[in-house]
Amino acid sequence: EIVLTQSPGTLSLSPGERATLSCRASQSVSSSYLAWYQQKPGQAPRLLIYGASSRATGIPDRFSGSGSGTDFTLTISGLEPEDFAVYYCQQYGSSPGTFGQGTKVEIK
Amino acid sequence: EVQVLESGGGLVQPGGSLRLSCGASGFTFSSYAMNWVRQAPGKGLEWVSTISGSGGSTYYADSVKGRFTISRDNSKHTMYLQMNSLRAEDTAVYYCARDGVVVAARPYYFEYWGQGTLVTVSS
Repeated sequence: EIVLTQSPGTLSLSPGERATLSCRASQSVSSSYLAWYQQKPGQAPRLLIYGASSRATGIPDRFSGSGSGTDFTLTISGLEPEDFAVYYCQQYGSSPGTFGQGTKVEIK
Repeated sequence: EVQVLESGGGLVQPGGSLRLSCGASGFTFSSYAMNWVRQAPGKGLEWVSTISGSGGSTYYADSVKGRFTISRDNSKHTMYLQMNSLRAEDTAVYYCARDGVVVAARPYYFEYWGQGTLVTVSS
């Protein structure tokens, strides 16, 4: 099973700042089959990015994904108030699919 | 508009059983694999099970294999999760999620999510 480690655990930033979230896999993720989700308190997760860098339907272009192999990054180019949430990465290249433990982006 | 809606959660004693349902609309149900993902209170996300669009292929996390059974009725646009021999560690919000890849026979990413149904296993 591929273990995903997200860092940092918590990111404290101000609105307008750039957020860089990391997801590192214990072994290579085949075909860059990596997704990112956003979850706000009391809500279901929302798909942001799939295939490491493809934005899901309706996702603003301030969200971007990059990386391959074992190292992946989610970048939020300028934080909006609604972006403060928990973010999870997920690999679906190997069975079973696995999630990272999450990164919380909080208001500084 | 794609919608998925879970039901059937509740309080059950350890060793008991519960069946969750997930109704779907807004897409060709039989063309997509469907998934269950759970989240224990204050914890992260855990994939539980997947069923292919035809229902011919099923997948389970090791933590639930042999205790949970996933199924679907394409005529009713509904997926189910039969949970037996429930344990305290099964306590979680259970989400139904539609796969992101059409005509996929295995789980990929989770494109559309329901709001979840809470399962509490406690005496």
